[in-house]
Amino acid sequence: SQTIHQWPATLVQPVGSPLSLECTVEGTSNPNLYWYRQAAGRGLQLLFYSVGIGQISSEVPQNLSASRPQDRQFILSSKKLLLSDSGFYLCACTRLAGGTGELFFGEGSRLTVL
Amino acid sequence: KQEVTQIPAALSVPEGENLVLNCSFTDSAIYNLQWFRQDPGKGLTSLLLIQSSQREQTSGRLNASLDKSSGRSTLYIAASQPGDSATYLCAVDNNDMRFGAGTRLTVKP
Repeated sequence: SQTIHQWPATLVQPVGSPLSLECTVEGTSNPNLYWYRQAAGRGLQLLFYSVGIGQISSEVPQNLSASRPQDRQFILSSKKLLLSDSGFYLCACTRLAGGTGELFFGEGSRLTVL
Repeated sequence: KQEVTQIPAALSVPEGENLVLNCSFTDSAIYNLQWFRQDPGKGLTSLLLIQSSQREQTSGRLNASLDKSSGRSTLYIAASQPGDSATYLCAVDNNDMRFGAGTRLTVKP
């Protein structure tokens, strides 16, 4: 079964600083990868999803970006953080080829922007 | 655009009760529906996955049903325990996964 690693687990950054959150997947190949954000007391917002290397679909404004340099690596970035970027960021994957499409999550990265 | 709604937003029950959590969605053309559990400050744990061709799935004390035509799913928890206290989320797959806001469940000893 697949395992999703996210780091860092927690991060405190000043407004205007850059961001890089990393996600790697083990135990599967050619997964669909997702970045979600969960703000305090709110549901999950889909930020980006990727069906393959270099293929990124965006659901949010351009303060955030995502990249997929390798099949099982997904990176969430920002050049200048805003206060509103604070939240709990979750990476997820589905294993579609020959699988059920079940979504699995990492343990999340908690970002606080001050 | 798919919208997913979960009712109630919060639920508190005494230990031992059977309970039902509800999930509704606006676009019935889904591939599957999935129920998750989230403990505070943690990631999501998959509980049950129902494919679009299925009507229900069971795992232990959990039973999830799907009525695609009416855009509804229910998660039934039998004989609830304090350890079941968590937020329960449903998500539907229309090529990307859309989540409800969740139901926060508290089971009191």
